[in-house]
Amino acid sequence: AQKITQTQPGMFVQEKEAVTLDCTYDTSDPSYGLFWYKQPSSGEMIFLIYQGSYDQQNATEGRYSLNFQKARKSANLVISASQLGDSAMYFCAMSGLYNQGGKLIFGQGTELSVKP
Amino acid sequence: NAGVTQTPKFRVLKTGQSMTLLCAQDMNHEYMYWYRQDPGMGLRLIHYSVGEGTTAKGEVPDGYNVSRLKKQNFLLGLESAAPSQTSVYFCASSKGRAGRMETQYFGPGTRLLVL
Repeated sequence: AQKITQTQPGMFVQEKEAVTLDCTYDTSDPSYGLFWYKQPSSGEMIFLIYQGSYDQQNATEGRYSLNFQKARKSANLVISASQLGDSAMYFCAMSGLYNQGGKLIFGQGTELSVKP
Repeated sequence: NAGVTQTPKFRVLKTGQSMTLLCAQDMNHEYMYWYRQDPGMGLRLIHYSVGEGTTAKGEVPDGYNVSRLKKQNFLLGLESAAPSQTSVYFCASSKGRAGRMETQYFGPGTRLLVL
């Protein structure tokens, strides 16, 4: 079975500072993928970044980067230079090669508030 | 491209009533999914489909049925709504290439209130 744990229900960060959102996972799949989604107050789910378990380098997408530590089973999202528009819920999710249908397992989310 | 769309955006039902939620995607994606999101929780998979004419159960399938008669559409039905089905429902789709972990793209959600 797969499991995603996000231990930070809520976080605050000052505008223009960097912030790390934690995500740990558990899986027996030999190959898996980790995803981060953003859910602003308007409710939609926005894909941010993806990391494959066999990727040699940590994924980056603009101000988002994924600090992937395979041995520690963690896939933390780093947001650099926070902006007010980054205030939202952030969900970590995973899929595995043996997940029929590419199903995603989600964590409970972290609510990020960016202070001006 | 509209991406993934959901109809309706919001609905109020009385206990015992039935309704169908419609999801449509214009990305020619093979796989489609229905999730529910309850307060303070992440998304949980209800049902999914790996192609036209196929459906399968997810984590929380009880009380729901689905159909995928056309590749671009995925319908979620509630035959007899219960207050426990009050939730926000998200549809998602992905390319669904075998052996690949594909990104899922989500619709805007349907907020359902069952009284």
